[in-house]
Amino acid sequence: KNEVEQSPQNLTAQEGEFITINCSYSVGISALHWLQQHPGGGIVSLFMLSSGKKKHGRLIATINIQEKHSSLHITASHPRDSAVYICAAPQLEEVGGNEKLTFGTGTRLTIIP
Amino acid sequence: EAQVTQNPRYLITVTGKKLTVTCSQNMNHEYMSWYRQDPGLGLRQIYYSMNVEVTDKGDVPEGYKVSRKEKRNFPLILESPSPNQTSLYFCASRILAGGYNEQFFGPGTRLTVL
Repeated sequence: KNEVEQSPQNLTAQEGEFITINCSYSVGISALHWLQQHPGGGIVSLFMLSSGKKKHGRLIATINIQEKHSSLHITASHPRDSAVYICAAPQLEEVGGNEKLTFGTGTRLTIIP
Repeated sequence: EAQVTQNPRYLITVTGKKLTVTCSQNMNHEYMSWYRQDPGLGLRQIYYSMNVEVTDKGDVPEGYKVSRKEKRNFPLILESPSPNQTSLYFCASRILAGGYNEQFFGPGTRLTVL
């Protein structure tokens, strides 16, 4: 079973700071998902990456498949970035063929104006 | 607009009173899934479906039922809810071809069982 761990669990920063959230997983995978959960509860997909780096606006995600580690960075953080960020690793179950996601417990980010 | 809808968004009920949470997607996705989210535990899969009439248990199926009679709908049924089923529930869908494709989530249903 793939274990997915995130750090830190909680992070508070001042507006404008550079933010880094880390994700480690135990079983080799070929892709990783980063999700954002808004304070109201809704979940949206930010990135799905299998190698290197992806960038979307002020958000950058990197992955090192060999080290089983991914990071999510936010540049010039803003209060509207306050949310829970969740990483998730896909795994194919041997019985039944379910390709399911194993989720980390999330990092709660608070950006103070 | 491509979306997954869930109803109701909020529900307070009492132990033993059967309830159904509906889920519908308009993207013609084969794969649909139900998750529950509890503090400190992350999202856990309850049931999933790979296509019409094909459903199977996830990690925490006890106390839940599902059906997939149509491709777009995947209702979650609690025959006899108990307080330990108080949680935030998400329905999600994606194309079948792998967990390496984007998963679309519904807005969530916050259920309280008294």
